[in-house]
Amino acid sequence: RKEVEQDPGPFNVPEGATVAFNCTYSNSASQSFFWYRQDCRKEPKLLMSVYSSGNEDGRFTAQLNRASQYISLLIRDSKLSDSATYLCVVNPSGGYNKLIFGAGTRLAVHP
Amino acid sequence: GAVVSQHPSWVICKSGTSVKIECRSLDFQATTMFWYRQFPKQSLMLMATSNEGSKATYEQGVEKDKFLINHASLTLSTLTVTSAHPEDSSFYICSARDAGGGETQYFGPGTRLLVL
Repeated sequence: RKEVEQDPGPFNVPEGATVAFNCTYSNSASQSFFWYRQDCRKEPKLLMSVYSSGNEDGRFTAQLNRASQYISLLIRDSKLSDSATYLCVVNPSGGYNKLIFGAGTRLAVHP
Repeated sequence: GAVVSQHPSWVICKSGTSVKIECRSLDFQATTMFWYRQFPKQSLMLMATSNEGSKATYEQGVEKDKFLINHASLTLSTLTVTSAHPEDSSFYICSARDAGGGETQYFGPGTRLLVL
């Protein structure tokens, strides 16, 4: 079983749509969770951290369910510029340590 | 914000040659840098953790004698792919963590390697 699993997509949605991505992780002791965005042939960029209480940043909402080992990202009012691959990332042991990346979910927003 | 650069951004080489990739933190000091590899349509896979002034820690399955890592200063880590072969063709990305604190890793723009 992969340490971090995501639906690869692609998700093809029209502008203005709401789209949700899911992610599961295998290590129940994992400490930190993130969503990164990666554009084609570019490096990943941090979109947001994910906190136990859930957190929101503009049109983006992240949720964490530790009991189910499940992380989600909700994007409201999709823009063309949201088209990218969204990577679910887990720090299995917290602190200054390595990150485990999911394979990513591709989003394509069309006019 | 924190900036990490990589050089070169892309390289094409013949099979059997060695390729050196540099990763620099431009406006902060990084005691720890990470090297990742990403094949097409796959996730980033951590290859090794590079610690300033000490030996790198390699992930399982990554040959330390093939992927030489040197982290000689607080702002520079290098990855050398020795005797490169076509199967080493990939997107190599480094990241660095600010020695001043914080968990965030700042990623370099990546280096595309094509071995003919």
